[in-house]
Amino acid sequence: SQELEQSPQSLIVQEGKNLTINCTSSKTLYGLYWYKQKYGEGLIFLMMLQKGGEEKSHEKITAKLDEKKQQSSLHITASQPSHAGIYLCGADMEYGNKLVFGAGTILRVKS
Amino acid sequence: DTAVSQTPKYLVTQMGNDKSIKCEQNLGHDTMYWYKQDSKKFLKIMFSYNNKELIINETVPNRFSPKSPDKAHLNLHINSLELGDSAVYFCASSQATGQNTGELFFGEGSRLTVL
Repeated sequence: SQELEQSPQSLIVQEGKNLTINCTSSKTLYGLYWYKQKYGEGLIFLMMLQKGGEEKSHEKITAKLDEKKQQSSLHITASQPSHAGIYLCGADMEYGNKLVFGAGTILRVKS
Repeated sequence: DTAVSQTPKYLVTQMGNDKSIKCEQNLGHDTMYWYKQDSKKFLKIMFSYNNKELIINETVPNRFSPKSPDKAHLNLHINSLELGDSAVYFCASSQATGQNTGELFFGEGSRLTVL
């Protein structure tokens, strides 16, 4: 099993709808990162969360880290075709700068 | 100027061959990484170097040998290529601080296909 479980694996939403992607671990997360990848391209950094209960927003994307620092959610409001891609959560699970990633969520937005 | 650049972008080769992928970052970061992304898009860390010193080696076969001539470069050499080595290899760098990796800056990836 993976250290970071991401759900759902894939998601198809109608343009304008909201959606949430989850990232869960059984271990404490020292840093939680969200990245987006478009097909055939590298990863783009979205947000980093460190403190329990922390929440950050950028444009229509909001990410939260729970108080226990074991679960994070990424919420997109009023989705647009430009939001389509693969969303990956990554986390520092232990000391030593070893960032591990979840399996990713493939998001498709239908116009 | 590209922050993290890796070459080549595409590599098609026969089983048993040896190949190298080069990576350079101009961000002044201390730490560089190699990640492998398989066909299911799962991204797995292979190596990390901090100031030319190997920090993480994630049970990667000995056929994979990273080399960091200076902190701005991290190359990946692969010997005796196998079919299972086909994947996209991403180089990344960050300014790690204490327990946090920090924001990773990724290259565009090198797609390796072994025939």
